[in-house]
Amino acid sequence: NAGVTQTPKFRILKIGQSMTLQCTQDMNHNYMYWYRQDPGMGLKLIYYSVGAGITDKGEVPNGYNVSRSTTEDFPLRLELAAPSQTSVYFCASSASGTEGGTQYFGPGTRLLVL
Amino acid sequence: GQNIDQPTEMTATEGAIVQINCTYQTSGFNGLFWYQQHAGEAPTFLSYNVLDGLEEKGRFSSFLSRSKGYSYLLLKELQMKDSASYLCAVINTGGFKTIFGAGTRLFVKA
Repeated sequence: NAGVTQTPKFRILKIGQSMTLQCTQDMNHNYMYWYRQDPGMGLKLIYYSVGAGITDKGEVPNGYNVSRSTTEDFPLRLELAAPSQTSVYFCASSASGTEGGTQYFGPGTRLLVL
Repeated sequence: GQNIDQPTEMTATEGAIVQINCTYQTSGFNGLFWYQQHAGEAPTFLSYNVLDGLEEKGRFSSFLSRSKGYSYLLLKELQMKDSASYLCAVINTGGFKTIFGAGTRLFVKA
């Protein structure tokens, strides 16, 4: 049982390049989330999904896109990378709301945009 | 608006007790979480409160007062490995969207 896995662990992008951050969970969780965490700051929700085929924007969705074709996978797409997107990106999943709302986080992807 | 406030940093001595406070103002409330995050790592679950009162789990306890929009995390018998950031998070009425505070960095000194 691997939990939540993310790839890559670290990436350097040039301004204007695009990339996809991969996230997979093997816990059969319906809810999945993408957060970014800037140095010394809390987590900001980018996008979330309540099930396959259903996604919605969080607090800071601009510059990102997501898809959820399966329960397991929730990739995050960065189009036209900008220095402001330099951050650590965490993917998380949870079984349901209330007590099941405990989120399990992946190890994170560190992204540097130069 | 939605806001979660926590102190930025705290320092405590090994073996001591420390209390980390959290106040929140959110558009809905369906529970409050505390997560621990070591430097360079992902957050991990510590506790969950949905009703008023104290939840105890080993050296860690968490308290909630919904009427005051207030919670605290109590860490007893501090160990060096407790040096980490502690994130207060509120889950909204929908039951899945979580708002995180900026976190409190705790330094435990010998």
